[in-house]
Amino acid sequence: GQSLEQPSEVTAVEGAIVQINCTYQTSGFYGLSWYQQHDGGAPTFLSYNALDGLEETGRFSSFLSRSDSYGYLLLQELQMKDSASYFCAVRESGTGRRALTFGSGTRLQVQP
Amino acid sequence: EAGVAQSPRYKIIEKRQSVAFWCNPISGHATLYWYQQILGQGPKLLIQFQNNGVVDDSQLPKDRFSAERLKGVDSTLKIQPAKLEDSAVYLCASSLVQGGDIQYFGAGTRLSVL
Repeated sequence: GQSLEQPSEVTAVEGAIVQINCTYQTSGFYGLSWYQQHDGGAPTFLSYNALDGLEETGRFSSFLSRSDSYGYLLLQELQMKDSASYFCAVRESGTGRRALTFGSGTRLQVQP
Repeated sequence: EAGVAQSPRYKIIEKRQSVAFWCNPISGHATLYWYQQILGQGPKLLIQFQNNGVVDDSQLPKDRFSAERLKGVDSTLKIQPAKLEDSAVYLCASSLVQGGDIQYFGAGTRLSVL
């Protein structure tokens, strides 16, 4: 099986930088994904790391370290619209299961 | 390009009643997923289809939940009979390739079981 741990809540101010961590326990996986979900909305894909290192997409970056079983999502120049829940997810390898397993999510509140 | 469509958006039923949800994935996406999202938690996979065949239903409570994907396009998820603990948002997602890490989600159906 697998489990993913994330902080339940993070608060930051507009214009700041925030990092949302994800630690996981799994025997093997293809990569670490990040999804954003606004209240009442659909989860939307943000980023994916198949290899160790940093992936940058505009204001968002994601990092993976397989040796540390750890990843994070970095949000820069925070805007009010970034207030949402953020989920890390993995797709387990070696079991035949192909779907994503999600963490419990981190609720980000951006304050003026 | 149209996204994943789901209906209804909201449903309120009493326990022991039955309910059905409908999903239309993005055109051309062969893989379709149904997830259950309980308030404050991440989505949990219920069932995955590849075209009209089931790939993974290991977490589907088969005594009360059923799903089908006729003709490999639209899908329906049914609960019969519903329990209080089924209150959740039911999300449908699709991906272009099987086991795709990029999944496109619909807005979901919020179910309240009273």
